[in-house]
Amino acid sequence: DQQVKQNSPSLSVQEGRISILNCDYTNSMFDYFLWYKKYPAEGPTFLISISSIKDKNEDGRFTVFLNKSAKHLSLHIVPSQPGDSAVYFCAASASGGSNYKLTFGKGTLLTVNP
Amino acid sequence: KAGVTQTPRYLIKTRGQQVTLSCSPISGHRSVSWYQQTPGQGLQFLFEYFSETQRNKGNFPGRFSGRQFSNSRSEMNVSTLELGDSALYLCASSLKGGTFTGELFFGEGSRLTVL
Repeated sequence: DQQVKQNSPSLSVQEGRISILNCDYTNSMFDYFLWYKKYPAEGPTFLISISSIKDKNEDGRFTVFLNKSAKHLSLHIVPSQPGDSAVYFCAASASGGSNYKLTFGKGTLLTVNP
Repeated sequence: KAGVTQTPRYLIKTRGQQVTLSCSPISGHRSVSWYQQTPGQGLQFLFEYFSETQRNKGNFPGRFSGRQFSNSRSEMNVSTLELGDSALYLCASSLKGGTFTGELFFGEGSRLTVL
């Protein structure tokens, strides 16, 4: 039972264009959502997060949108750069932030072509 | 500030053996979590420790165990290894303080291969 789903295993975009990575979840108890980025041979690094009380959070080139009614979130990267090429994981936590357990999606490999 | 350190980085074991992996969190971080990453399942939560106590546990068999020491360093152990245990084992630390925002700091992982 996969509670966090990233249905696109891979995505390829041109440098300078927008990258949109999508994530769906099924557990209504999730109230905090995060995106992590992972380069080969490195551990994941935190990118951006959003609380369920918001529908948008922006940090530089990265924006996360949350649609609670659809149980869907997306990460927008504008403009995309070759250095953004990595695996992106969507993650979620429940219990108002007191639960230190993250549930991850399987990841989407983003390739940004020069 | 030193990051999360995991040892060993790579190891090869045979079925039936056991393995112990070590994790040193970022200085001052008191919460340590472990995740298993496989190509088919992505990152799956194993367990989380805080102040030497296991607070959360994922859906893994009892062959997977862990502990945390008074200096916050953590170890995880897998006994009676199976081929399916081949994976990247990631340790992450977090600074406990108020609401958990999800920002975990991951180590580079320990790549376990079971033959």
